[in-house]
Amino acid sequence: GQQLNQSPQSMFIQEGEDVSMNCTSSSIFNTWLWYKQEPGEGPVLLIALYKAGELTSNGRLTAQFGITRKDSFLNISASIPSDVGIYFCAGQLWGYALNFGKGTSLLVTP
Amino acid sequence: DSGVTQTPKHLITATGQRVTLRCSPRSGDLSVYWYQQSLDQGLQFLIQYYNGEERAKGNILERFSAQQFPDLHSELNLSSLELGDSALYFCASSAEGDDNYGYTFGSGTRLTVV
Repeated sequence: GQQLNQSPQSMFIQEGEDVSMNCTSSSIFNTWLWYKQEPGEGPVLLIALYKAGELTSNGRLTAQFGITRKDSFLNISASIPSDVGIYFCAGQLWGYALNFGKGTSLLVTP
Repeated sequence: DSGVTQTPKHLITATGQRVTLRCSPRSGDLSVYWYQQSLDQGLQFLIQYYNGEERAKGNILERFSAQQFPDLHSELNLSSLELGDSALYFCASSAEGDDNYGYTFGSGTRLTVV
């Protein structure tokens, strides 16, 4: 599958700070998705993006589908301790399974 | 509870052995996907079944096989286990075969090979 480069690998921030992470690919995707994984659980879908340039929000989370269709970013505003987890980007080309990035590990201190 | 059920939650076995991981998809979902998650490789797609038929194959080793039964539950069989097979194995399901609305994941099976 296509290689997804997700950065940063980890972030250690204080409660209340904003967070930004991104994902790039050498190939285009039809869909970009962002998942969050907490310890002992499977990934949970946060946001799905379907059109180049699309900007979508889900509460304090905002994600964008890059105009080139080869990248996406996720922002978390005013972080809280329960935002702790690993965030994965995933790209999908129609007819193929999801390709995942290696994840951004987020730690939030009170 | 995501609606995707995986059993067992933990499995410890010796090298050379064979294990079977089980997945029940969310009610109404026809597609089942298997992913392997290891620390250095992230989530790697193994195989997809749609309504009982193999639909797509990823980085699945020849020692691994899967099937989806008429009731839509799926099993992943891992044989001749090696230390490097230790990982989290996730099952996910979706409604359609080409679903781009994201998958629903189970809680995973943690396999430890000793």
